[in-house]
Amino acid sequence: NAGVTQTPKFRILKIGQSMTLQCTQDMNHNYMYWYRQDPGMGLKLIYYSVGAGITDKGEVPNGYNVSRSTTEDFPLRLELAAPSQTSVYFCASSYQELNTEAFFGQGTRLTVV
Amino acid sequence: AQSVTQLGSHVSVSEGALVLLRCNYSSSVPPYLFWYVQYPNQGLQLLLKYTSAATLVKGINGFEAEFKKSETSFHLTKPSAHMSDAAEYFCAVSDTGGFKTIFGAGTRLFVKA
Repeated sequence: NAGVTQTPKFRILKIGQSMTLQCTQDMNHNYMYWYRQDPGMGLKLIYYSVGAGITDKGEVPNGYNVSRSTTEDFPLRLELAAPSQTSVYFCASSYQELNTEAFFGQGTRLTVV
Repeated sequence: AQSVTQLGSHVSVSEGALVLLRCNYSSSVPPYLFWYVQYPNQGLQLLLKYTSAATLVKGINGFEAEFKKSETSFHLTKPSAHMSDAAEYFCAVSDTGGFKTIFGAGTRLFVKA
């Protein structure tokens, strides 16, 4: 059982480039999330999805886009990379919100130069 | 609105000593509360969760936390620290009205031999 899988693990982008961070889960969870983690700031929610075809903004959505065409996949798109997007990105999923735990991927460390 | 405050960005204890990591929350409704642990270069893993069944919650690896409504606290404790407990710990809150779990800024635990 793979859980939540993120690719790539590391990436360096130049300012203005675009990329997609991939996330897939094999637990048939309806809820999926993208967080960014910056030192001393905890995790900030970028986007989330409550099911295929349904996405919504989190706390820090600017500069990002998402899609959810299947239950399993929830890619995060950066269109015009900026240095402020240098961070560690985590994808997570849960069976439902509220009292259920979230399962996290191992993260993608992104540097924009 | 919900919020989580973790007191102390860094805590250092000696091996065998008591571990106490502090978490205070703000929520307008009875919350669901979580503690997650993050080992270096990994995603977050659930340690324990409070869902109103019992105020003292036992988790994995000997950790426990007590929900104190009057103090709006959910502090994490472990009687005897082990070197393998060195990690970053996150307190999180989720209320019944939303789909978003809010994470604290994290506390990094150092364990000295």
